[in-house]
Amino acid sequence: LAKTTQPISMDSYEGQEVNITCSHNNIATNDYITWYQQFPSQGPRFIIQGYKTKVTNEVASLFIPADRKSSTLSLPRVSLSDTAVYYCLVGLTGANNLFFGTGTRLTVIP
Amino acid sequence: DAGVTQSPTHLIKTRGQQVTLRCSPISGHKSVSWYQQVLGQGPQFIFQYYEKEERGRGNFPDRFSARQFPNYSSELNVNALLLGDSALYLCASSLADWASNYGYTFGSGTRLTVV
Repeated sequence: LAKTTQPISMDSYEGQEVNITCSHNNIATNDYITWYQQFPSQGPRFIIQGYKTKVTNEVASLFIPADRKSSTLSLPRVSLSDTAVYYCLVGLTGANNLFFGTGTRLTVIP
Repeated sequence: DAGVTQSPTHLIKTRGQQVTLRCSPISGHKSVSWYQQVLGQGPQFIFQYYEKEERGRGNFPDRFSARQFPNYSSELNVNALLLGDSALYLCASSLADWASNYGYTFGSGTRLTVV
C-alpha cells in the first residue's frame, strides 16, 4: 500500500475554507484516494474518494493533479463541528484492509 | 437501521488476563474487520472475516484471534494482555469481502485499558 504524508495539525477559523494536502509519491495505477474523518472516541467516517481530477460531494471536494502524487481535501466554510482528525488513504479499492497514517488534526477556532 | 454496534464500550483488564470484544455488523453486511487504534495514531488493521472465514490478517501476534458467527457478528479475543494492548478497538463492516473504500462502516469502538 502506498505510504502517505500529511501535516500533523492545522488550525482554522470558523467560516474559512480549509485545504489539507496529502502526498503519496508511490501511488500505483490502480490505487484510489480516500479521505476519512474521525471524531474523538468514534470510528472513522468516510468523507470522499477519487481517482483523478476533481470530485465533489455535499461535504467536501477532492482535487487530484494529473500525476496523482498528491491530493487535496477541501472543506468549505468549516464550523466548530469539523474539528476532527482527517486521514488520507491510498490503496486498491476492494482491498480487504485499510491503511491509516497518523492523520491531520484539524482544530476550528471560533 | 442500527449501525455497527460494539460491546462493551469500555473495559479495564489486568496484565496477563484475557479479553473478548464483540461486534455486530450492519444488517446485511457479511464482512467484519477489526482495527486497533493506539492513542495518537491511526487505526491499524488486525483481521478481516467474511462468511466465517479469515480473509486477512495484519501484523499482530498470535495472542490476537477472532471469529465470525453464522449471523455475521464477530468476536475479537486477546490473550495474555500487555500494557501495550491498551487501545481503542474498532470494528468495521462491509457488504462483501471486499469493498470500495467508502463501503466500510465503523463502530464507535471498545476502549480497552490494561493495568
